[in-house]
Parts: sequence; structure tokens; C-alpha cells
Amino acid sequence: KQEVTQIPAALSVPEGENLVLNCSFTDSAIYNLQWFRQDPGKGLTSLLLIQSSQREQTSGRLNASLDKSSGRSTLYIAASQPGDSATYLCAVILRGNQFYFGTGTSLTVIP
Amino acid sequence: KAGVTQTPRYLIKTRGQQVTLSCSPISGHRSVSWYQQTPGQGLQFLFEYFSETQRNKGNFPGRFSGRQFSNSRSEMNVSTLELGDSALYLCASSLEAGGSYEQYFGPGTRLTVT
Repeated sequence: KQEVTQIPAALSVPEGENLVLNCSFTDSAIYNLQWFRQDPGKGLTSLLLIQSSQREQTSGRLNASLDKSSGRSTLYIAASQPGDSATYLCAVILRGNQFYFGTGTSLTVIP
Repeated sequence: KAGVTQTPRYLIKTRGQQVTLSCSPISGHRSVSWYQQTPGQGLQFLFEYFSETQRNKGNFPGRFSGRQFSNSRSEMNVSTLELGDSALYLCASSLEAGGSYEQYFGPGTRLTVT
């Protein structure tokens, strides 16, 4: 069974700092990987989708990388802002569109 | 373009009752997936529907079921509710099935079982 782990579970940083969130998975036979953010009491917002043939994706201040062979993905957030405070979830996607979610990293950006 | 909508947003039921939740995907999206989110277990995949057919099912008991209509709207049903079914139920839609397309999530239905 695919297991997805995110470290750290919680992170608190001052505004303006660059940070890295980690996601590791046990089975490298994934199809794609997607990063989401979740604000308290709300649904998930898609941030980046990395397809299996890609090694990274960028959107604005966000950059996500994928290394299937080592079972790892990282989400890099540049110049963090208080509005970035949320829980960040990674999900590995198997063929057939089955998603396995990580446990999440709760990020707090202090003004 | 309207996002994924879920109704109702909040629901309180008692043990033993059944409940039906509804999800309307983004216009043009044909795949709908359902997830259960709890503090202890995190986000867990329930099932996925595409073109009115269940394509994938997670590891949940048969009390959890769903269906998809010809307009891609989907419903999920939980029968004989248990206290442990209290959770946020999230629905997500994507253009097609297969994992190559981003999933867009609705705001969820918060179910409380007393």
C-alpha cells in the first residue's frame, strides 16, 4: 500500500523567508503528484501538478520538484507571506486516478 | 466558470440513519471523486466516477456508496451511520479520469453523527 509522509508536520517562519516542504512516498510507481493547500474548514486548492515525465513545475513563487526514484517531492515557497499560512498537502496519483494524500504540513507565516 | 459545489455544507444526523451528499462538478468535467477527511486518518479516497461508472473504490465498507448521473453530478450515500463517520466529505472533479488532470475540490460537507 502506498504511504505518503510529509515532514515537518508544522512549520512557523517569519515573513519573507524561503522555505521547503517535503513529501515522501513508498512506492515509486506513481503516475503523477499534486500539491494542494487547505485553509481551515475549507476544501483543497490545487497548487501544482507534476506529471511522471516531468521533474518540476513552477507557478509564481512556488516550485515543486519530483524525484520518483528516491520517492520524494519538495515544494519550495519563495519570499513567504502571511497569506501563505495554510496546510499543504501532497498527493501521489496512481494509474486509474487513485489519490493517496500525505498527512500535511501546517504552515504559519508570521508578519 | 463556477467551481465544484457541494450540498449541503453542514449536516447533523444520528446513529443508524442514512445520508446523501451531492456534488456538482465544474462544467465540462466528467470525473468525480469523493474523499473523507478526519483528524485521525487524514484524507482518504472513497471512490471515483467517470461517465456514470465507478472506476475506483477505496477501502471503505459497503455502507458507503455513490453514483453519477448523465450530467456528471454525483451523489454519495452512507447508510447505517456510525459515530466514526463524522468527517468532512470532499468531492473533486477533473476533466477526464486517469490522473493526468488536476483535481479541483469543492468546499466539502461537514457531517456530524451524534
